[in-house]
Amino acid sequence: QVQLVESGGGVVQPGRSLRLSCAASGFTFSSYGMHWVRQAPGKGLEWVAVISYDGSDNYYSDSVKGRFTISRDNSKNTLYLQMNSLRAEDTAVYYCAKDLYGYDGPGFDYWGQGTLVTVSS
Amino acid sequence: DIQLTQSPSFLSASVGDRVTITCRASQGISSYLAWYQQKPGKAPKLLIYAASTLQSGVPSRFSGSGSGTEFTLTISSLQPEDFATYYCQQLNSSPRTFGPGTKVDIK
Repeated sequence: QVQLVESGGGVVQPGRSLRLSCAASGFTFSSYGMHWVRQAPGKGLEWVAVISYDGSDNYYSDSVKGRFTISRDNSKNTLYLQMNSLRAEDTAVYYCAKDLYGYDGPGFDYWGQGTLVTVSS
Repeated sequence: DIQLTQSPSFLSASVGDRVTITCRASQGISSYLAWYQQKPGKAPKLLIYAASTLQSGVPSRFSGSGSGTEFTLTISSLQPEDFATYYCQQLNSSPRTFGPGTKVDIK
């Protein structure tokens, strides 16, 4: 069965960096686009970034562009999110999610359980 | 960027009720719209994609319709397990924005 397991969250000071990982299993990871979506405490969902199945293409939300980098290692079936220059407003649960159809698909059919990132001094 | 609005933002309903949630896009997105259900402390679950296609395993009481800028999610007969928050998402272009959510609560 498909599993997505995020890790790497924690408490970090403003301005510092953190790298999240998402370990995938149960499907051909290298065939699907992958996304990061976040949810601030008590708030709605915010799409963060996408990466194509081969890592050649990516897009970011304006709120993280220039600070966050999405990447993947298809040999390790793992998705990453490098987060630099963290701000208090980046505090959220971060989910990785699988694209339904390859890349640029019509929805996200599997999600991880989420990892909490808290940016605080 | 494409903005999504949802109405209502909150609704109170009873088991067995027919419930309709509306999602409006700031510009036309064809049928590139998905609906998700999220329960407290859990990841979202895909219900509907391409505006009206039911995701595998989702009960048939859920249905979606619409195209262009106006979309609806309908639950034909609300069940106890359906009390949750529902989000629409546009996948026409990046950023793949979500709507603000509709919380469905027990009357």
